[in-house]
Amino acid sequence: NAGVMQNPRHLVRRRGQEARLRCSPMKGHSHVYWYRQLPEEGLKFMVYLQKENIIDESGMPKERFSAEFPKEGPSILRIQQVVRGDSAAYFCASSPGTSANNEQFFGPGTRLTVL
Amino acid sequence: AQSVTQLDSQVPVFEEAPVELRCNYSSSVSVYLFWYVQYPNQGLQLLLKYLSGSTLVKGINGFEAEFNKSQTSFHLRKPSVHISDTAEYFCAVRINAGGTSYGKLTFGQGTILTVHP
Repeated sequence: NAGVMQNPRHLVRRRGQEARLRCSPMKGHSHVYWYRQLPEEGLKFMVYLQKENIIDESGMPKERFSAEFPKEGPSILRIQQVVRGDSAAYFCASSPGTSANNEQFFGPGTRLTVL
Repeated sequence: AQSVTQLDSQVPVFEEAPVELRCNYSSSVSVYLFWYVQYPNQGLQLLLKYLSGSTLVKGINGFEAEFNKSQTSFHLRKPSVHISDTAEYFCAVRINAGGTSYGKLTFGQGTILTVHP
């Protein structure tokens, strides 16, 4: 059973471009969380999705950021018109359910650099 | 809202010495507590978790942690560290509030453990 997959692992964008980050959860997992890790900081929650639904996006910046988790395919975190402050590591995690016994498994992250 | 404070940003220690990484949390509701480890350029791996029951929990790689409700702490300990324990360690909480407890984690700032030979 493959772990959580994220691609690309490294992404370089110039200011104003779009960044698309992909997350394939573990097989059988329908719950996906996105977190952002800024340099020398801990991870900050961004958004929680179930298949085709955004459940909680309280950690997402109001503008330029969006997320989806379609019925088929990976979850996508999209950042439009990137700025230097978007440079960070973006991690997704998946779980099979929401009880506390359902561990969140983390992907290796996408490291976004905005030039 | 919940918050997590890891009191030490860096902890250097010699191989085979004991180590304690400190974590304090603040929450107006009951929480579950977790410790994760992150090796360079990798994702987070769960070390251990406290959900209920015994306040002393044991995890992987010889780590253990003790939940202290009165002091709102969840310190991580290992009696004898190895070079391979060098990594960043994160303490995290999630609220324990029935149907609204869906898994959102609040993390501390992280503690970098460096084990020297």
